[in-house]
Amino acid sequence: SQQGEEDPQALSIQEGENATMNCSYKTSINNLQWYRQNSGRGLVHLILIRSNEREKHSGRLRVTLDTSKKSSSLLITASRAADTASYFCATDTGTASKLTFGTGTRLQVTL
Amino acid sequence: DSGVTQTPKHLITATGQRVTLRCSPRSGDLSVYWYQQSLDQGLQFLIHYYNGEERAKGNILERFSAQQFPDLHSELNLSSLELGDSALYFCASSVGVAPNYGYTFGSGTRLTVV
Repeated sequence: SQQGEEDPQALSIQEGENATMNCSYKTSINNLQWYRQNSGRGLVHLILIRSNEREKHSGRLRVTLDTSKKSSSLLITASRAADTASYFCATDTGTASKLTFGTGTRLQVTL
Repeated sequence: DSGVTQTPKHLITATGQRVTLRCSPRSGDLSVYWYQQSLDQGLQFLIHYYNGEERAKGNILERFSAQQFPDLHSELNLSSLELGDSALYFCASSVGVAPNYGYTFGSGTRLTVV
């Protein structure tokens, strides 16, 4: 079963634009993580935000977390063609000894 | 290279057969997680081992089994294969028993059942 659902399912933007992806989840979490997956390859961990944090930055990435709305967003600023990938949120409830992944957003960045 | 090694990268086999997928975690990581990724089901958690012990089980079919060995590598055994088992199988590792520092994923094994 999916804990998180990403929105939109697919996003197409031009290089230099910002990309925003949203994730909603159902149960209380210990932390929420974002991963990137290039086509058919392994997922790469991007950033982790804990339940007591509201915003976190890493390079061109900005993640926000609103635990009252059970939602998170990932902003990629100044997108590049190399950012083309699928992006997944994953939640750690702190009790289940695993991450539960969302459905993913496919991002296409064109030149 | 993430440090997590999965073999083989590709596997084509017939229905009814049995296969073994192998995973070596990143050096120092004690946890190994197995996930199945298919187009219709997304990333589904199968099973988690920590330092040789099973810690959590997901929607893993009875035809599937796994273990983690003393050297911490893990194997996922899939038997009586069906067409619907065709998918990407990923293993991921993490340092502790809880995934609160993130996973490191392998590059996956693409299983095709014909």
